[in-house]
Amino acid sequence: RKEVEQDPGPFNVPEGATVAFNCTYSNSASQSFFWYRQDCRKEPKLLMSVYSSGNEDGRFTAQLNRASQYISLLIRDSKLSDSATYLCVVNIYNTDKLIFGTGTRLQVFP
Amino acid sequence: DGGITQSPKYLFRKEGQNVTLSCEQNLNHDAMYWYRQDPGQGLRLIYYSQIVNDFQKGDIAEGYSVSREKKESFPLTVTSAQKNPTAFYLCASSVRGDTEAFFGQGTRLTVV
Repeated sequence: RKEVEQDPGPFNVPEGATVAFNCTYSNSASQSFFWYRQDCRKEPKLLMSVYSSGNEDGRFTAQLNRASQYISLLIRDSKLSDSATYLCVVNIYNTDKLIFGTGTRLQVFP
Repeated sequence: DGGITQSPKYLFRKEGQNVTLSCEQNLNHDAMYWYRQDPGQGLRLIYYSQIVNDFQKGDIAEGYSVSREKKESFPLTVTSAQKNPTAFYLCASSVRGDTEAFFGQGTRLTVV
């Protein structure tokens, strides 16, 4: 089983839609969680950290469920510019490694 | 401007040649990482370093080597032992291993 798993998509949604991605992780000792965005042929960029209590940044909401070992990303009122690949990232306690999921591709159409 | 710089952006090499990819950061970060990304794939960890003069193998270290002689520099050498070196190579740095990482713009290596 992969350490971090994501649905590869693609998710094709119209502008204005709400879309949600899930990411599961296998190691219960995981302690830090992030969502990154990667545009085609570009480097990944931090979208948001994920906190235990959940957190929101504008149209983006991240949630953590430690009991079920998954994190989620909700995007409301999707924009064309949201089209990208979204990467789930996990750090395991007492290691210095950031483990990346393979990413979920989002395509927003007019 | 603070940031992380990779060079060159594109690199072409003949099969059998070693090649070194540069990564420099002026963010005063302790941790640095090298990842490889193949088309349509996720990022795979090659090597990482938490402190000067120390580094650890990641999941796909075979055929690669690194050094960390200075805090701000973490060069990656792709050796002739790497069977499929053509890929997009990404360097990243973070304050420490459990904090968010920031990436350079990447180097696209093509071996012909």
